Amino acid sequence: DAKTTQPPSMDCAEGRAANLPCNHSTISGNEYVYWYRQIHSQGPQYIIHGLKNNETNEMASLIITEDRKSSTLILPHATLRDTAVYYCIVRDNAGNNRKLIWGLGTSLAVNP
Amino acid sequence: DGGITQSPKYLFRKEGQNVTLSCEQNLNHDAMYWYRQDPGQGLRLIYYSQIVNDFQKGDIAEGYSVSREKKESFPLTVTSAQKNPTAFYLCASSAAGQKEKLFFGSGTQLSVL
Repeated sequence: DAKTTQPPSMDCAEGRAANLPCNHSTISGNEYVYWYRQIHSQGPQYIIHGLKNNETNEMASLIITEDRKSSTLILPHATLRDTAVYYCIVRDNAGNNRKLIWGLGTSLAVNP
Repeated sequence: DGGITQSPKYLFRKEGQNVTLSCEQNLNHDAMYWYRQDPGQGLRLIYYSQIVNDFQKGDIAEGYSVSREKKESFPLTVTSAQKNPTAFYLCASSAAGQKEKLFFGSGTQLSVL
């Protein structure tokens, strides 16, 4: 599975959109992009995933570039409770979860 | 409510002692996983089980043991052979048809006295 690159930290004002970038330039055609987040001292929480098309759910939106080499997770109206580490992961859906590579993620601080 | 429960939240181990971390899920998931998280590092897979009575080593299995006698339970034993056991331990599960979506417990912080 391909590796991802994320900025180590970001800040966002409460109520504004938080846009978290992820680079996955070596992604292959059958690999999906997944996002999880981890609030301090808790287990990671699944947010969203996608293959080619943009996706939206109640938590966030995922924008994937046409060449699929990068993506952006958007939290449309960030709140203080969105302060967490956000992980971007790519994986083959046919593969085993043992192949997931968890990087260091982006530490998002939402400020009042 | 369905979920995955880890206990205890905090655990202390004396030198040379084995300790067992509990992980229980009522999501009816087939697969379960144990991860270790150290400060400044990503999650690393210790063991995983895709079905009852079967489990496989992950990337850092040395010094750990597991069992999967019931679908709901996947306990992890940190043995005295694990020389650096202090870490945050996370248990996760996934459904057979949704392997990509992991559900995590709240974790156990293990410290050595």
